[in-house]
Amino acid sequence: QVQLVESGGGVVQPGGSLRLSCAASGFTFSSYSMHWVRQRPGKGLEWVAVIGTDGLTRYYADSVRGRFTTSRDHSKNTVYLQMSSLRPDDTALYYCAKEFDHDKWFFDYWGQGALVTVSP
Amino acid sequence: EIVMTQSPPILSVSPGESATLSCRASQSISSKLAWYQLKRGQPPRLLIFGASTRATGIPARFSASGSGTEFTLTISSLQPEDFVVYFCQQHYNWPLTFGGGTKVEIK
Repeated sequence: QVQLVESGGGVVQPGGSLRLSCAASGFTFSSYSMHWVRQRPGKGLEWVAVIGTDGLTRYYADSVRGRFTTSRDHSKNTVYLQMSSLRPDDTALYYCAKEFDHDKWFFDYWGQGALVTVSP
Repeated sequence: EIVMTQSPPILSVSPGESATLSCRASQSISSKLAWYQLKRGQPPRLLIFGASTRATGIPARFSASGSGTEFTLTISSLQPEDFVVYFCQQHYNWPLTFGGGTKVEIK
């Protein structure tokens, strides 16, 4: 069965960096684009980033562009989210999510989430 | 950016009754709309995509319709586990955007 397991969350000071990982299993990882979506405390869902199957096609939300970078390693079936210049409003539960199919930009599987807290 | 607006924010319904949730897009998104269910402590669950297609394993009491800018999700005969939060998401263009959510609570 499909599994997505995030790791790397934690508490970081404003201006700091953190790298999230999402280990995938149960499907052909190299064939699917992978996304990051976050949920701020008490708020709704916000799409953050996507990385295509080629590892080169990447799009970001305006709120994180220039500060966050997503990458993937097909040999490890893992997608990453490198976050830098973190701000308090980046505090959120970060989910990785599998795209349903090529160019079908919705998500059929999600991880449990990694909690990131940006606080002095 | 396409703004997705869900209404109402909170919907009070009695168990066994039906609930109708609305989602409006700030511009036409054709039928490129997904609905998710979010339970506390769990990741979102895909319910509907393409505005009206139920995802695998989703009970028939969940139905959805709409196109263009107006969409609805109907949950018939509400079960105890249905009293949670629902989000819509447009999958028409970038950036992908979600509605603010509707919480279905027990009346």
